[in-house]
Amino acid sequence: EDQVTQSPEALRLQEGESSSLNCSYTVSGLRGLFWYRQDPGKGPEFLFTLYSAGEEKEKERLKATLTKKESFLHITAPKPEDSATYLCALVGGTSYGKLTFGQGTILTVHP
Amino acid sequence: DAGVTQSPTHLIKTRGQQVTLRCSPKSGHDTVSWYQQALGQGPQFIFQYYEEEERQRGNFPDRFSGHQFPNYSSELNVNALLLGDSALYLCASSLGGGNTEAFFGQGTRLTVV
Repeated sequence: EDQVTQSPEALRLQEGESSSLNCSYTVSGLRGLFWYRQDPGKGPEFLFTLYSAGEEKEKERLKATLTKKESFLHITAPKPEDSATYLCALVGGTSYGKLTFGQGTILTVHP
Repeated sequence: DAGVTQSPTHLIKTRGQQVTLRCSPKSGHDTVSWYQQALGQGPQFIFQYYEEEERQRGNFPDRFSGHQFPNYSSELNVNALLLGDSALYLCASSLGGGNTEAFFGQGTRLTVV
């Protein structure tokens, strides 16, 4: 069974203080690893897709990386508007696009 | 280009009632998936529709059913509502339903009292 575990559950940063969010996974044949951002009461907003170990994607202050067992979301010099829940999800080899999600990391950036 | 749209945004139902939620996929997408998200948890997969057929199903009881129409829009039906069905219901659309990006709607907040 595909599993995704995210850590930490919550992260509080000062504005400008860089950090990383972790997503550990077990899967039979990874077809894609996805990062989403979710604001309170809203649907998840797509950020990145990673397909193979060693792949990296960047968007503004965010950078996602992938190994065979983990993915990291690096946040460089965060701003208060980066505060949100960050969700990691994967599609395994036996599914048709079924996303298996972690429980999310709640990021709070203080000014 | 309209993204994924869901209706209604909020709904309050009484235990034992039935509810229908609606979803219009992003333009050009042919696959719709439904997820249930309890407070403080990640979304849980309910089922996926492709070419008007249920292609894959998660670990949800038969009280949860759905439909996809020829224009790719979809409905989620829940019968005999329980208090535990209170959650944010999310619709996601994608192309082909494989490992391509899925885009989510804003969700329907269902409260069962």
